[in-house]
Amino acid sequence: DQQVKQNSPSLSVQEGRISILNCDYTNSMFDYFLWYKKYPAEGPTFLISISSIKDKNEDGRFTVFLNKSAKHLSLHIVPSQPGDSAVYFCAASGGFYGGSQGNLIFGKGTKLSVKP
Amino acid sequence: EPEVTQTPSHQVTQMGQEVILRCVPISNHLYFYWYRQILGQKVEFLVSFYNNEISEKSEIFDDQFSVERPDGSNFTLKIRSTKLEDSAMYFCARGQGASTDTQYFGPGTRLTVL
Repeated sequence: DQQVKQNSPSLSVQEGRISILNCDYTNSMFDYFLWYKKYPAEGPTFLISISSIKDKNEDGRFTVFLNKSAKHLSLHIVPSQPGDSAVYFCAASGGFYGGSQGNLIFGKGTKLSVKP
Repeated sequence: EPEVTQTPSHQVTQMGQEVILRCVPISNHLYFYWYRQILGQKVEFLVSFYNNEISEKSEIFDDQFSVERPDGSNFTLKIRSTKLEDSAMYFCARGQGASTDTQYFGPGTRLTVL
Protein backbone atom coordinates (compact mmCIF):
# COMPACT_ATOMS: atom_id res chain seq x y z
CA ASP A 1 0.00 0.00 0.00
CA GLN A 2 1.91 3.01 -1.28
CA GLN A 3 0.54 6.11 0.38
CA VAL A 4 3.33 8.22 -1.11
CA LYS A 5 4.34 7.57 -4.69
CA GLN A 6 7.24 8.81 -6.76
CA ASN A 7 6.56 7.33 -10.16
CA SER A 8 9.78 8.42 -11.84
CA PRO A 9 12.74 6.35 -10.62
CA SER A 10 15.19 8.61 -12.40
CA LEU A 11 15.53 12.02 -14.02
CA SER A 12 18.37 13.47 -16.06
CA VAL A 13 18.74 17.22 -16.49
CA GLN A 14 21.32 19.53 -18.02
CA GLU A 15 23.18 21.88 -15.71
CA GLY A 16 21.48 25.25 -15.44
CA ARG A 17 18.07 23.93 -16.43
CA ILE A 18 15.10 23.26 -14.19
CA SER A 19 14.65 19.93 -12.41
CA ILE A 20 11.09 18.97 -11.55
CA LEU A 21 10.54 16.05 -9.22
CA ASN A 22 7.02 14.80 -8.67
CA CYS A 23 5.24 13.08 -5.84
CA ASP A 24 1.66 11.85 -5.42
CA TYR A 25 -0.09 10.79 -2.26
CA THR A 26 -3.31 8.99 -1.46
CA ASN A 27 -4.03 9.87 2.17
CA SER A 28 -5.95 13.14 2.44
CA MET A 29 -5.12 13.28 6.15
CA PHE A 30 -1.48 14.09 5.47
CA ASP A 31 -0.83 17.65 6.61
CA TYR A 32 2.91 18.06 6.20
CA PHE A 33 5.17 17.21 3.32
CA LEU A 34 8.94 17.14 3.12
CA TRP A 35 11.65 16.62 0.56
CA TYR A 36 14.89 14.92 1.49
CA LYS A 37 18.05 14.51 -0.51
CA LYS A 38 20.16 11.41 -0.07
CA TYR A 39 23.61 10.45 -1.18
CA PRO A 40 24.74 6.80 -1.13
CA ALA A 41 25.76 5.55 2.32
CA GLU A 42 24.46 8.71 4.01
CA GLY A 43 21.31 9.61 5.86
CA PRO A 44 18.51 11.64 4.27
CA THR A 45 19.21 15.37 4.40
CA PHE A 46 16.25 17.69 4.85
CA LEU A 47 15.72 20.11 1.95
CA ILE A 48 12.39 21.82 2.19
CA SER A 49 8.91 21.26 3.55
CA ILE A 50 5.39 22.52 3.11
CA SER A 51 2.32 22.52 5.30
CA SER A 52 -1.03 21.53 3.84
CA ILE A 53 -2.34 25.04 4.46
CA LYS A 54 0.05 26.40 1.83
CA ASP A 55 0.47 25.76 -1.85
CA LYS A 56 4.01 26.97 -2.31
CA ASN A 57 7.19 27.27 -0.30
CA GLU A 58 10.46 28.61 -1.61
CA ASP A 59 14.00 28.40 -0.28
CA GLY A 60 16.73 29.61 -2.57
CA ARG A 61 16.91 27.39 -5.63
CA PHE A 62 14.31 25.01 -4.22
CA THR A 63 10.56 25.48 -4.48
CA VAL A 64 7.90 23.01 -3.44
CA PHE A 65 4.38 23.22 -4.85
CA LEU A 66 1.39 21.48 -3.30
CA ASN A 67 -1.85 20.76 -5.12
CA LYS A 68 -4.18 19.30 -2.52
CA SER A 69 -7.07 18.66 -4.85
CA ALA A 70 -4.83 16.53 -7.02
CA LYS A 71 -2.92 15.12 -4.04
CA HIS A 72 0.27 16.07 -5.81
CA LEU A 73 3.41 17.91 -4.89
CA SER A 74 6.50 18.78 -6.83
CA LEU A 75 10.00 20.01 -6.12
CA HIS A 76 11.55 22.49 -8.52
CA ILE A 77 15.28 23.08 -8.55
CA VAL A 78 16.39 26.13 -10.52
CA PRO A 79 19.07 26.29 -11.75
CA SER A 80 20.17 22.69 -11.42
CA GLN A 81 23.78 22.05 -10.52
CA PRO A 82 25.91 18.89 -10.77
CA GLY A 83 26.09 18.82 -6.98
CA ASP A 84 22.33 18.33 -6.90
CA SER A 85 22.80 14.82 -8.28
CA ALA A 86 21.37 12.51 -5.62
CA VAL A 87 18.25 10.54 -4.76
CA TYR A 88 15.33 12.75 -3.73
CA PHE A 89 12.67 11.41 -1.40
CA CYS A 90 9.25 12.81 -0.86
CA ALA A 91 7.80 12.18 2.62
CA ALA A 92 4.51 12.93 4.34
CA SER A 93 3.18 12.92 7.86
CA GLY A 94 -0.05 13.47 9.71
CA GLY A 95 -1.98 10.62 8.13
CA PHE A 96 -3.59 7.81 10.05
CA TYR A 97 -0.27 5.98 10.19
CA GLY A 98 1.63 9.09 11.21
CA GLY A 99 -0.84 10.46 13.65
CA SER A 100 0.31 13.12 16.01
CA GLN A 101 3.74 11.60 16.38
CA GLY A 102 4.78 12.78 12.96
CA ASN A 103 6.05 9.47 11.66
CA LEU A 104 7.13 9.92 8.09
CA ILE A 105 5.87 7.94 5.14
CA PHE A 106 8.40 7.98 2.31
CA GLY A 107 8.16 7.53 -1.41
CA LYS A 108 10.60 5.27 -3.22
CA GLY A 109 12.74 8.14 -4.40
CA THR A 110 13.83 9.66 -7.70
CA LYS A 111 17.46 9.61 -8.73
CA LEU A 112 18.39 12.98 -10.19
CA SER A 113 21.43 13.29 -12.44
CA VAL A 114 22.53 16.77 -13.41
CA LYS A 115 24.93 16.70 -16.32
CA PRO A 116 27.56 19.44 -16.78
CA GLU B 1 27.18 18.91 11.19
CA PRO B 2 24.78 15.97 11.69
CA GLU B 3 21.92 16.39 14.09
CA VAL B 4 22.53 12.92 15.44
CA THR B 5 25.45 10.53 15.21
CA GLN B 6 25.16 6.80 14.85
CA THR B 7 27.50 3.97 15.71
CA PRO B 8 28.74 1.76 14.27
CA SER B 9 28.74 2.91 10.69
CA HIS B 10 28.78 -0.70 9.52
CA GLN B 11 27.92 -3.85 11.44
CA VAL B 12 28.40 -7.35 10.11
CA THR B 13 26.83 -10.19 12.04
CA GLN B 14 25.88 -13.81 11.72
CA MET B 15 22.25 -14.80 11.42
CA GLY B 16 20.73 -15.41 14.84
CA GLN B 17 23.07 -13.04 16.65
CA GLU B 18 21.98 -9.98 18.60
CA VAL B 19 22.99 -6.52 17.45
CA ILE B 20 22.71 -3.14 19.11
CA LEU B 21 22.70 0.01 17.03
CA ARG B 22 23.34 3.30 18.75
CA CYS B 23 22.15 6.83 18.18
CA VAL B 24 23.57 9.83 20.01
CA PRO B 25 21.63 13.08 19.75
CA ILE B 26 23.71 16.21 19.62
CA SER B 27 21.07 18.52 20.96
CA ASN B 28 18.53 17.83 23.65
CA HIS B 29 15.46 16.55 21.87
CA LEU B 30 12.72 14.37 23.21
CA TYR B 31 11.41 12.56 20.15
CA PHE B 32 13.47 9.97 18.36
CA TYR B 33 12.70 7.71 15.49
CA TRP B 34 14.20 4.66 13.89
CA TYR B 35 13.79 3.98 10.19
CA ARG B 36 15.32 1.41 7.92
CA GLN B 37 16.02 1.21 4.21
CA ILE B 38 16.50 -2.16 2.59
CA LEU B 39 18.74 -1.87 -0.45
CA GLY B 40 16.82 -0.47 -3.39
CA GLN B 41 13.66 0.12 -1.40
CA LYS B 42 12.11 3.08 0.34
CA VAL B 43 12.83 4.35 3.82
CA GLU B 44 10.41 2.71 6.26
CA PHE B 45 9.33 3.82 9.72
CA LEU B 46 10.08 1.39 12.54
CA VAL B 47 9.39 3.08 15.86
CA SER B 48 9.12 6.41 17.60
CA PHE B 49 10.31 6.99 21.13
CA TYR B 50 9.34 9.76 23.50
CA ASN B 51 10.30 10.37 27.07
CA ASN B 52 11.80 6.90 27.47
CA GLU B 53 8.78 5.09 26.08
CA ILE B 54 7.72 3.77 22.71
CA SER B 55 5.26 6.21 21.23
CA GLU B 56 4.31 4.35 18.09
CA LYS B 57 5.61 1.38 16.15
CA SER B 58 5.08 -0.14 12.74
CA GLU B 59 4.20 -3.72 11.90
CA ILE B 60 7.85 -4.23 11.00
CA PHE B 61 8.81 -3.60 14.63
CA ASP B 62 8.00 -7.05 15.99
CA ASP B 63 9.18 -8.82 19.13
CA GLN B 64 12.69 -9.15 17.71
CA PHE B 65 13.16 -5.41 18.05
CA SER B 66 13.46 -3.24 21.12
CA VAL B 67 14.50 0.33 21.84
CA GLU B 68 15.72 2.01 24.96
CA ARG B 69 17.63 4.97 26.26
CA PRO B 70 19.81 3.28 28.83
CA ASP B 71 21.80 6.25 30.08
CA GLY B 72 19.48 9.12 29.26
CA SER B 73 21.60 10.09 26.30
CA ASN B 74 22.32 7.26 23.88
CA PHE B 75 19.32 5.79 22.13
CA THR B 76 19.62 2.16 21.07
CA LEU B 77 17.87 -0.21 18.71
CA LYS B 78 18.34 -3.87 19.51
CA ILE B 79 17.61 -6.77 17.21
CA ARG B 80 17.58 -9.93 19.30
CA SER B 81 18.04 -12.65 16.72
CA THR B 82 18.98 -11.24 13.36
CA LYS B 83 17.65 -12.64 10.12
CA LEU B 84 19.01 -12.27 6.61
CA GLU B 85 16.17 -9.91 5.75
CA ASP B 86 17.25 -7.53 8.53
CA SER B 87 20.16 -6.45 6.33
CA ALA B 88 19.53 -2.77 5.67
CA MET B 89 20.55 0.77 6.48
CA TYR B 90 19.14 1.82 9.83
CA PHE B 91 18.60 5.53 10.41
CA CYS B 92 17.97 7.35 13.63
CA ALA B 93 16.16 10.68 13.46
CA ARG B 94 15.25 13.32 15.98
CA GLY B 95 12.24 15.57 16.00
CA GLN B 96 9.68 17.40 18.09
CA GLY B 97 6.91 14.86 17.74
CA ALA B 98 4.32 17.02 16.06
CA SER B 99 2.71 16.02 12.79
CA THR B 100 4.15 19.19 11.25
CA ASP B 101 7.64 18.46 12.44
CA THR B 102 10.84 18.24 10.46
CA GLN B 103 12.92 15.21 11.29
CA TYR B 104 16.68 15.26 11.00
CA PHE B 105 18.45 12.06 10.24
CA GLY B 106 21.73 10.56 11.30
CA PRO B 107 24.20 9.09 8.82
CA GLY B 108 22.90 5.56 9.35
CA THR B 109 24.28 2.16 10.26
CA ARG B 110 24.66 -0.43 7.54
CA LEU B 111 23.72 -3.81 8.98
CA THR B 112 24.81 -6.88 7.06
CA VAL B 113 23.50 -10.24 8.25
CA LEU B 114 25.35 -13.26 6.89
